[in-house]
Amino acid sequence: GAGVSQSPSNKVTEKGKDVELRCDPISGHTALYWYRQSLGQGLEFLIYFQGNSAPDKSGLPSDRFSAERTGGSVSTLTIQRTQQEDSAVYLCASSLAGAGGGSPLHFGNGTRLTVT
Amino acid sequence: RKEVEQDPGPFNVPEGATVAFNCTYSNSASQSFFWYRQDCRKEPKLLMSVYSSGNEDGRFTAQLNRASQYISLLIRDSKLSDSATYLCVVISVESNYQLIWGAGTKLIIKP
Repeated sequence: GAGVSQSPSNKVTEKGKDVELRCDPISGHTALYWYRQSLGQGLEFLIYFQGNSAPDKSGLPSDRFSAERTGGSVSTLTIQRTQQEDSAVYLCASSLAGAGGGSPLHFGNGTRLTVT
Repeated sequence: RKEVEQDPGPFNVPEGATVAFNCTYSNSASQSFFWYRQDCRKEPKLLMSVYSSGNEDGRFTAQLNRASQYISLLIRDSKLSDSATYLCVVISVESNYQLIWGAGTKLIIKP
């Protein structure tokens, strides 16, 4: 079946603009994660959705970042008033059950965001 | 001390050799473990889960040492295509089931 789908694959935006990144998880996966990764760096956790529970937003770096997940499926990560330090690859992953169930994550190809 | 630590490498290994690297974790209540590989400018991909009794998948063997709190990955008969960064992931009840990612070990297989 289809894997995790992210769009756009690349996004170039001007500093100060808002951007919206989309993630379509694997069908039936209840857990959805957003990470970001700067070049040569490790994964930085942003936010975690599990079923109908309140999301774990502990990784969001500032209030310019927000995410929602509608209908337990598609998720959108929004960055308002983008800054150059927001430039990174934004990775979405989903898993069949939450982390407590020991399910591995399956990643999308990522969105490469460049803020000029 | 970081919750999950990996030697960043790079490990430079000749093709055909056996290579192993470890990932140490600090939380003794950790309960699930995975190895991922990440190619340059690509997303991480699941390589294998790590089971308590150890597990093997072709040329790859993963082991868990709970007493010393580390997991290992051994690659036999290494191929050029094994060149990648290998990330370990640990899940712990005490971290509220958050996935804790290592920063990765870079492996370079040379002809």
